[in-house]
Amino acid sequence: ILNVEQSPQSLHVQEGDSTNFTCSFPSSNFYALHWYRWETAKSPEALFVMTLNGDEKKKGRISATLNTKEGYSYLYIKGSQPEDSATYLCVMNRDDKIIFGKGTRLHILP
Amino acid sequence: SQTIHQWPATLVQPVGSPLSLECTVEGTSNPNLYWYRQAAGRGLQLLFYSVGIGQISSEVPQNLSASRPQDRQFILSSKKLLLSDSGFYLCAWSHPGPRQPQHFGDGTRLSIL
Repeated sequence: ILNVEQSPQSLHVQEGDSTNFTCSFPSSNFYALHWYRWETAKSPEALFVMTLNGDEKKKGRISATLNTKEGYSYLYIKGSQPEDSATYLCVMNRDDKIIFGKGTRLHILP
Repeated sequence: SQTIHQWPATLVQPVGSPLSLECTVEGTSNPNLYWYRQAAGRGLQLLFYSVGIGQISSEVPQNLSASRPQDRQFILSSKKLLLSDSGFYLCAWSHPGPRQPQHFGDGTRLSIL
């Protein structure tokens, strides 16, 4: 069974606090791991693509790490802002399959 | 720059009626094209993808079909809609290759009555 699991499903974070969430995936036949941000009433937007074990990517206050041997990726947000409220999707490319996680819904509290 | 257009934004259809959703991409050639659906309370599910004109791969058996009559046009169709076809449909494109990010359209909210 090919599953990409994201946790937590939903997360409430106070504005200014930092947070992180997890994506776990089957580690065999791994090609690439993508993170997308999906804001309400908009289409998903690509954040990062990572391919190598140990990859770390950073975009402003958001960063991500990848461990392909154990099959997980972390997304970190430093100093959360209201505009970070969104669903964060983890997507794995494996062989010729594209597998989406169900997302982590992040709510930033003022 | 590349853009992706998907229409309509919302659609209400009766059970048993046909469906045609269209997606076009501008500013690139030979893109990979994708159709996804998000049913209520579920994640995004890949329905179809295409690596070239006339080449369609189906990920799940269903009541829907897809066609790619031109390089940058991807159409999702059904002859007879079911209640279970309700959901949010997203079209996306990417450059060829699994390491390429996908770029999504604005989506179509389909409600079946």
